[in-house]
Amino acid sequence: DAGITQSPRHKVTETGTPVTLRCHQTENHRYMYWYRQDPGHGLRLIHYSYGVKDTDKGEVSDGYSVSRSKTEDFLLTLESATSSQTSVYFCAISDPTAGQETQYFGPGTRLLVL
Amino acid sequence: KQEVTQIPAALSVPEGENLVLNCSFTDSAIYNLQWFRQDPGKGLTSLLLIQSSQREQTSGRLNASLDKSSGRSTLYIAASQPGDSATYLCAVSHYSGGGADGLTFGKGTHLIIQP
Repeated sequence: DAGITQSPRHKVTETGTPVTLRCHQTENHRYMYWYRQDPGHGLRLIHYSYGVKDTDKGEVSDGYSVSRSKTEDFLLTLESATSSQTSVYFCAISDPTAGQETQYFGPGTRLLVL
Repeated sequence: KQEVTQIPAALSVPEGENLVLNCSFTDSAIYNLQWFRQDPGKGLTSLLLIQSSQREQTSGRLNASLDKSSGRSTLYIAASQPGDSATYLCAVSHYSGGGADGLTFGKGTHLIIQP
């Protein structure tokens, strides 16, 4: 298994509070991704990073921001959580510049916004 | 906007059967295609990756084919086993800079293999 951890694994929060999810990798992969998974919508890309301090938006980026200050960590922040952001969040990594095209996924974070 | 469709949405077959899962995508200018499995309440496990220049990939009892021009991929599972029961997801990527710009997923095929 790829060395990807996500923290926290479960979180319950209230509407309007800020929330930060962390993805940590030990593979030194250049690319990192954040997805959310919802019933009826499947998995959708939120943001991705193609290097330290290099990020881009995905399909459902509104209400989310990201930061990547070092290779191993990719943070996803919900500035002011809403009930519509209740979801399971997955992080993924790849390194196409090193021939590692496959995206490997972390175990996920279950977020409930009340 | 890329759209990925998986048919059927659900499938239940007796153990030992060979089966085919289908995936179609609307924009043929893909970078690569991946098949994953997801067990209930778990993360995604990568099964196979096919580059846009390839026609198929094989891993054990799994074989995935890609027809980029027609926007189709199939996942063939030989001699199915109860342990193959899971949701199978198809996903495609597009090229951006030095690599993939993130995956667009289908909604999956929920597979049950009856003992």
